[in-house]
Order: sequence, then structure tokens, then C-alpha cells
Amino acid sequence: DAKTTQPNSMESNEEEPVHLPCNHSTISGTDYIHWYRQLPSQGPEYVIHGLTSNVNNRMASLAIAEDRKSSTLILHRATLRDAAVYYCILNQAGTALIFGKGTTLSVSS
Amino acid sequence: NAGVTQTPKFRILKIGQSMTLQCAQDMNHNYMYWYRQDPGMGLKLIYYSVGAGITDKGEVPNGYNVSRSTTEDFPLRLELAAPSQTSVYFCASSYSIRTYGYTFGSGTRLTVV
Repeated sequence: DAKTTQPNSMESNEEEPVHLPCNHSTISGTDYIHWYRQLPSQGPEYVIHGLTSNVNNRMASLAIAEDRKSSTLILHRATLRDAAVYYCILNQAGTALIFGKGTTLSVSS
Repeated sequence: NAGVTQTPKFRILKIGQSMTLQCAQDMNHNYMYWYRQDPGMGLKLIYYSVGAGITDKGEVPNGYNVSRSTTEDFPLRLELAAPSQTSVYFCASSYSIRTYGYTFGSGTRLTVV
């Protein structure tokens, strides 16, 4: 399975944009890039996913590099509620999502 | 629309006991999954199902069994519970295995003593 590399932790201030990076240099042409987040003591929550083009939804934006070897999850204005573990996951060969360790995002007021 | 419902929320088992963790979804999703999450760690896939009557092993299936007799339900069975199975268990479902997001339940916190 293709692997992703994320920083262990990141910090942000409230109401500032946050860019969460993910490297996936061995991505295959048909891999989707998924992002999930997990708030403390809760189950994971779907954030966004994409294949080749940048994607936007009400929660975030996903910027995918032209060579698809990296992507960035963008939270446009961080709030305290965005403090969570963010997982970047590649979906290969039609199998279930395999979670890594993710990035722990801290948001300060 | 309840989404994914897991029961119970908490359970304490003695070593060697058995139990079934229940998972039900009302979104008519074909795909369902069981994950476990140990303290401070990421999620590990236990089993998944692509439809009624079809199940497959994930990363850590040993010590667990599943069945999928209906689209709505995907119970996880623990036989002969061991302390290593102390974890939080999450059930999830999705419409498509690749292109749609997963909906997770709120989890079952299991302690084996």
C-alpha cells in the first residue's frame, strides 16, 4: 500500500489559515486522497477527498500537487473546534481505508 | 436519520468472556468496517464487508469474527477476550469503497480485565 507522511504535530492560532501537508510520493494513478479528522474522544469524521483536481467543501479545501506526490489540507480560518488529529489516507485497489498516525493540530486563542 | 449506531458505549469484560459489539446503519450503505484504536494510536482495520453475506479480513483480524446477514447490521464478535483487546472500537459505513466518505459511529470502549 502507498504510504503517506505527515508531520506529527502542528500549531495554529484561532482565525488564521492552517495548511496541513501530506507527502505521498508512491501514489498510483488511481489512488484517491482522503482526509479525515478525529476530535478528542470522538470517532473520525470525513473532511474531504480528491483525485487530481483541487477540491473545496464547507469544511476545507484540498490542494493536490500537479505530480500528485503531495497534497495540502487547508482550513481557511481555524477555530478551537478544529483542534484534532488529521489523517491523510490513500485509497488503493478498492480496499478499505488504512489509517496512519496523522497530524495533531493544536489551535490557540 | 441516525447514521451509524454502536452499542454498547462502554463494557468491561473478564478474561475469557465473549461478547458481541453491535453496529447498525440506516443509510443503505453497502460497505461497512470495524476498526480498533488503542490509546494514543491510529485506527487499525479489523474486518470489513462490501455487502450482505460478504466479509474480509483487515489488518488485525485475529481474535474477532464478523457476519453480515443484512445490509443494515455488521456485528463484531469477540471470543475468549484477552487484555490485548482492550481498546476503543469504531464501526463505519460508506456508499462506495473509494469515492465516498465514511460515516463513523461514536465507538465502544472495551476494557478486558
